[in-house]
Amino acid sequence: GAVVSQHPSWVICKSGTSVKIECRSLDFQATTMFWYRQFPKQSLMLMATSNEGSKATYEQGVEKDKFLINHASLTLSTLTVTSAHPEDSSFYICSASTGTQDEQYFGPGTRLTVT
Amino acid sequence: AQKVTQAQTEISVVEKEDVTLDCVYETRDTTYYLFWYKQPPSGELVFLIRRNSFDEQNEISGRYSWNFQKSTSSFNFTITASQVVDSAVYFCALRRGTYKYIFGTGTRLKVLA
Repeated sequence: GAVVSQHPSWVICKSGTSVKIECRSLDFQATTMFWYRQFPKQSLMLMATSNEGSKATYEQGVEKDKFLINHASLTLSTLTVTSAHPEDSSFYICSASTGTQDEQYFGPGTRLTVT
Repeated sequence: AQKVTQAQTEISVVEKEDVTLDCVYETRDTTYYLFWYKQPPSGELVFLIRRNSFDEQNEISGRYSWNFQKSTSSFNFTITASQVVDSAVYFCALRRGTYKYIFGTGTRLKVLA
């Protein structure tokens, strides 16, 4: 149980385009989902927290207009990187939880490369 | 300040050696959770253990063991008789009473055959 999937697992896009990454909880209802970013050989940094049906809460320094997060259902959250630039190239990991006090289950990650 | 320090950036050992990965944390909270995750080259985080701040018992799971000492704010991880498949980046993380995880910078373990 407690499986989280991400799609796509990797994506290459051209500079200036937008790309959407999906995060799904497969066998539980995720009230809260989290998005992390990991640069090569670095740690995971929390970007934002989203609760189903409400606006995401972004961490300091994360541009909300650039990283659009939608948590439209209890099993799906999406992260859209708008007008992507090479510096947005990174490994994006989502996690899902049944509530903010509960355990987080991590997805397998999405590797984004912007050329 | 809330912080997790993994001072060892990279460790190389020869197969069958024991290796200990250090984790030191800082928090003012009295209730918190500590975690270890393994991140193999594929990138997916693999959950290894969770320990809450009120449980200082050491834990052993097969070749893995963890030593939690509140007095020194440390939560160290030992792999006994290491294997090549143990090669990965290992992250220690602190979760405060709420949801936020604070990850350490990770320790890259290379086990050589």
